[in-house]
Amino acid sequence: QVQLQESGPGLVKPSQTLSLTCTVSGGSISSDGYYWSWIRQHPGKGLEWIGYIYYSGSTHYNPSLKSRVTISVDTSKKQFSLKLSSVTAADTAVYYCARFGRTYDILTGYSHTYYFDYWGQGTLVTVSS
Amino acid sequence: QSALTQPASVSGSPGQSITISCTGTSSDVGSYNYVSWYQQHPGKAPKLMIYEVSNRPSGVSNRFSGSKSGNAASLTISGLQAEDEADYYCSSYTSSTTLVFGGGTKLTVL
Repeated sequence: QVQLQESGPGLVKPSQTLSLTCTVSGGSISSDGYYWSWIRQHPGKGLEWIGYIYYSGSTHYNPSLKSRVTISVDTSKKQFSLKLSSVTAADTAVYYCARFGRTYDILTGYSHTYYFDYWGQGTLVTVSS
Repeated sequence: QSALTQPASVSGSPGQSITISCTGTSSDVGSYNYVSWYQQHPGKAPKLMIYEVSNRPSGVSNRFSGSKSGNAASLTISGLQAEDEADYYCSSYTSSTTLVFGGGTKLTVL
């Protein structure tokens, strides 16, 4: 059973960089076709996709956050990380890490899908001085 | 990319059926069968209930079903149970190669 666990500071000062790490257990972060993502949820609000990374290091970000987001991966530690720069109070949210499901085609092999089959429990990050 | 449109709340009595709509555009829901639905209980992480419009992951009750017509998708829950009370979110892949969520629907079991 795959498990994901977010970790990082719960309080970040305005203008600083938010840094979170997601540790994957019960499965390989380097398996073909699995992409790893960050999603956030503002207090009492809906979900917002931030971006994803493949174990090769390939990334794709939400254009609305792209200028401030960096997602990286450390396969040896089975971790992937999120950095969000120049934070403001508007970045206060619960941050989730999650895995995109994958599908298999006999001709093309594994490829990722566009649904999240496993999620971390989430971690609240508050931006405040 | 604008969020998908969901009703803020729906309600139903135990045993009844309810449907939650998720309206997008021809750039997301209307063009791709990559609509998924998530259930979220208070203080918990979302849980995948339906993927690729109408597929149920292993372990999800067959009381949950999904469908799509044009630019709108729907989640139907039949035989409502108390434990179904939660927030529900839809999601879709978009032509901008991004992922967009709906604003969420609070389901109340009366």
